[in-house]
Amino acid sequence: AQSVTQLGSHVSVSEGALVLLRCNYSSSVPPYLFWYVQYPNQGLQLLLKYTTGATLVKGINGFEAEFKKSETSFHLTKPSAHMSDAAEYFCAVTLDDKIIFGKGTRLHILP
Amino acid sequence: GAVVSQHPSWVICKSGTSVKIECRSLDFQATTMFWYRQFPKQSLMLMATSNEGSKATYEQGVEKDKFLINHASLTLSTLTVTSAHPEDSSFYICSAPGGAQYFGPGTRLLVL
Repeated sequence: AQSVTQLGSHVSVSEGALVLLRCNYSSSVPPYLFWYVQYPNQGLQLLLKYTTGATLVKGINGFEAEFKKSETSFHLTKPSAHMSDAAEYFCAVTLDDKIIFGKGTRLHILP
Repeated sequence: GAVVSQHPSWVICKSGTSVKIECRSLDFQATTMFWYRQFPKQSLMLMATSNEGSKATYEQGVEKDKFLINHASLTLSTLTVTSAHPEDSSFYICSAPGGAQYFGPGTRLLVL
């Protein structure tokens, strides 16, 4: 069965610093992996997705993630944090067209 | 890109009443839609899969008699929370399958 583990329910970084949000998955078949962002009182916005091909995936707002099969990881990074990046981030994996979400990581940006 | 809408975006109701939430795919047809629930500071949990022309499939632990799902057409799925209670207060989000699924903006339900 597919599942997703996000390490750290809260992550704080200074504005301009590197953002690293961790995600590990378990899957019996090659997974499709996603990162979503949710701003307060809003729905979900897709940041990026990995299906097949290039393992380094670039998304919107300067985010990228690298699929590492050997580590079963799909960590999300951004070189320089901006105040507007403060939000909840969800890693997700697909299962029969359903999307299974991790518990989420709230990103705090310190001035 | 594909757009999914939800109505209403906010609803406040009294305990014991029923609330209907609509999910529409605006520019594409969806034979399947998914309903998620998100409690405060928690992740999204899949409640059920809505299937056009057939019965919905519910996830384990979700009461099908309480959360009625109707997929009336290829562009509309509805979730009715029957006899709502305060513990049903939550954020309900629908989605339609696609490359990464298309999520509605969500409906926040508050049951007093």
